[in-house]
Amino acid sequence: DTEVTQTPKHLVMGMTNKKSLKCEQHMGHRAMYWYKQKAKKPPELMFVYSYEKLSINESVPSRFSPECPNSSLLNLHLHALQPEDSALYLCASSQLQLGQGYTFGSGTRLTVV
Amino acid sequence: QQQVKQSPQSLIVQKGGISIINCAYENTAFDYFPWYQQFPGKGPALLIAIRPDVSEKKEGRFTISFNKSAKQFSLHIMDSQPGDSATYFCAAFRGGSNYKLTFGKGTLLTVNP
Repeated sequence: DTEVTQTPKHLVMGMTNKKSLKCEQHMGHRAMYWYKQKAKKPPELMFVYSYEKLSINESVPSRFSPECPNSSLLNLHLHALQPEDSALYLCASSQLQLGQGYTFGSGTRLTVV
Repeated sequence: QQQVKQSPQSLIVQKGGISIINCAYENTAFDYFPWYQQFPGKGPALLIAIRPDVSEKKEGRFTISFNKSAKQFSLHIMDSQPGDSATYFCAAFRGGSNYKLTFGKGTLLTVNP
């Protein structure tokens, strides 16, 4: 089993809905990440948190809003999404400086209708 | 600009054969090179990783060969099994203030029984 836990595993939401994706890790990693993956493509970085502070935002639209309540939790709040936002959303964590143990969760399969 | 180039795009191997996937990178600041295995609908799973001061690392049937001067690294899967059929991604990580993981485009491996 992966040591990065994501919930829910599947999510279907309408374009006017508000939903949240959750991620939890207990490996003591101080860097946490959100990625988006489309079919047959590599993961694309969205956000990086280091020491619970947002350090990288890869020009992601504001309809995606990340939150890091503590060193073990990472949320992604979704609002007014578009059908093209349908994808596999992956959370990951790693040690900070050397990327050691860069571990992904199983992902949330998001469908926007 | 694609910083990590991966080949081949797809690979078919007979059971018991050797699977070889190659990657090349451009940025010499990369200091951690992981390989990920991804099954459909799942998140990428860390398979094996290497640092540039090591030329080879072996874990079970999986071996990474690293050529720092050529800026190339490869994954060898010995005695390939049908259960190894998956998409494999090489990646490169740069520490410091930038915690990004740069992926290759992926290789779809099929191992025939």
